[in-house]
Amino acid sequence: KQEVTQIPAALSVPEGENLVLNCSFTDSAIYNLQWFRQDPGKGLTSLLLIQSSQREQTSGRLNASLDKSSGRSTLYIAASQPGDSATYLCARMKDMRFGAGTRLTVKP
Amino acid sequence: GAVVSQHPSWVICKSGTSVKIECRSLDFQATTMFWYRQFPKQSLMLMATSNEGSKATYEQGVEKDKFLINHASLTLSTLTVTSAHPEDSSFYICSARGPGNGYTFGSGTRLTVV
Repeated sequence: KQEVTQIPAALSVPEGENLVLNCSFTDSAIYNLQWFRQDPGKGLTSLLLIQSSQREQTSGRLNASLDKSSGRSTLYIAASQPGDSATYLCARMKDMRFGAGTRLTVKP
Repeated sequence: GAVVSQHPSWVICKSGTSVKIECRSLDFQATTMFWYRQFPKQSLMLMATSNEGSKATYEQGVEKDKFLINHASLTLSTLTVTSAHPEDSSFYICSARGPGNGYTFGSGTRLTVV
């Protein structure tokens, strides 16, 4: 049973495109949800933390939203750049469950 | 910001030996730390929750006698893989809850058992 699901598994876009990564979770009674970036062979870098009382968080070109009623979170990346290429993971902080990630490639 | 240091970043060991991985919170105290393993192209799987001054809580299916966790201080947790076998080869990552409710991760340890 996959408790945290991320769609798509992989995504390839040309530089400059806006894109959306999706994260859904089976238990809507979450606490907080956090988005991370992982480069190959590296640890995780925190991008955005959305507390359960919040609906969205923004940092630079990144915007993350949280809809507890539908059990979904989205990560929006504006004006994508080749340096954004990485695997993006969402995690449900209630029980530290991670999605399988979305592997993003931004082509120059 | 909160920083978690993990050491070593990679290690190669012979089958049957034990390997210790350290996870330190550098600028904050962490009463709870988490240990994960990650197989290639897969997501992180929580192995155990390390609690300062008490026994770790292991996830279902994780052998506590094989993966020994010690959290002796508020800034250090260690994971020891005992009697390592090739199937234990993986990427191990620790994390801690930092100030502000977010979680900070170490840079990971690549373990290869030959």
